[in-house]
Amino acid sequence: DAGITQSPRHKVTETGTPVTLRCHQTENHRYMYWYRQDPGHGLRLIHYSYGVKDTDKGEVSDGYSVSRSKTEDFLLTLESATSSQTSVYFCAIGSNQPQHFGDGTRLSIL
Amino acid sequence: ELKVEQNPLFLSMQEGKNYTIYCNYSTTSDRLYWYRQDPGKSLESLFVLLSNGAVKQEGRLMASLDTKARLSTLHITAAVHDLSATYFCAVPYSGGGADGLTFGKGTHLIIQP
Repeated sequence: DAGITQSPRHKVTETGTPVTLRCHQTENHRYMYWYRQDPGHGLRLIHYSYGVKDTDKGEVSDGYSVSRSKTEDFLLTLESATSSQTSVYFCAIGSNQPQHFGDGTRLSIL
Repeated sequence: ELKVEQNPLFLSMQEGKNYTIYCNYSTTSDRLYWYRQDPGKSLESLFVLLSNGAVKQEGRLMASLDTKARLSTLHITAAVHDLSATYFCAVPYSGGGADGLTFGKGTHLIIQP
């Protein structure tokens, strides 16, 4: 299995609070991605990174920010969480090959 | 805007039967991916289809790609219960996929004895 670790695996928080999800990889891969999965929508790209400090927006980036200060870590931040951001969040690595996915973070915002 | 459509979205079938899942996409792409997801789990890569006419087979699953028709199929032969899962197709936003994938909504497959 590709060395991808997401933390936390589960989180419950309240509306308006900041939340940061972490993706850590041991594959030294240049490309990293954050997706969210919601019933009836499949997976949708939030943000992606093509190197340290190089990031770009995906399909559903509103309300999210990301940072990548080291090759191995890609952080996803919800500055002020809303109930519509309740979802399962997946990190992935890879390009030009099948992307490999982490185990996901289940985030509930009450 | 790239759109990826799968059908059916839900499929209940009996063991031993054959069936096909379809994946249509709206813009030119020379590659397509199939993934499997078990409930509460991550996505597992099944197939990478890299050119027109590509066909890949693994056990009872066979995937094909027709880039001219913008269509991929995932065929299940003599289904067994262990194949129950949700199957996704995905297409790169552009080129090789460095800027991410667009996924279909998934086909929830239930195989009953």
